[in-house]
Amino acid sequence: TQLLEQSPQFLSIQEGENLTVYCNSSSVFSSLQWYRQEPGEGPVLLVTVVTGGEVKKLKRLTFQFGDARKDSSLHITAAQPGDTGLYLCAADFGNEKLTFGTGTRLTIIP
Amino acid sequence: EAGVTQSPTHLIKTRGQQATLRCSPISGHTSVYWYQQALGLGLQFLLWYDEGEERNRGNFPPRFSGRQFPNYSSELNVNALELEDSALYLCASSQQGVGYTFGSGTRLTVV
Repeated sequence: TQLLEQSPQFLSIQEGENLTVYCNSSSVFSSLQWYRQEPGEGPVLLVTVVTGGEVKKLKRLTFQFGDARKDSSLHITAAQPGDTGLYLCAADFGNEKLTFGTGTRLTIIP
Repeated sequence: EAGVTQSPTHLIKTRGQQATLRCSPISGHTSVYWYQQALGLGLQFLLWYDEGEERNRGNFPPRFSGRQFPNYSSELNVNALELEDSALYLCASSQQGVGYTFGSGTRLTVV
């Protein structure tokens, strides 16, 4: 059974600070996606990374795919209250389903 | 473009009853995925339907079942409801498995 662990599980920081959340697995995955979920809504796709070592930027969000294709990170610069939400990574282990991580619940304090 | 729509938004059932949840995918998407999100936990994979066929199933008992219709909409049925079935049930659709688009979910409460 492939597992995706995210850390930290909870993170509460002040507006304007930087933060990084991590997604790790003991198994190699072919691609990885990051989603953000707000209360009462389904997850919304932020980015897909497919190449080891790949870095993608989405405004203040930077996503990195580890060289060994077993880990990924999401870095947010100058966090804003609108960044508050549950961040989920999801990996394709080649088993015909998307496996989701345990999630990081982020709270940005104004 | 209409997104993934799920109905009902909320559903309250008693133990032992059956629940039916519905999902309409984005137009043109042939794959529908069902996930369970219990409070405080991540998403657990339930079922994947594509072109009317069940393609994959997660580690859930047989009382969780579903189907996909010719118009690619889908139903999730949960029989003999138990208290621990209380969760947010999310449906997602995709075209060729690239990037899931989720609906807002059905909040099922079993009392």
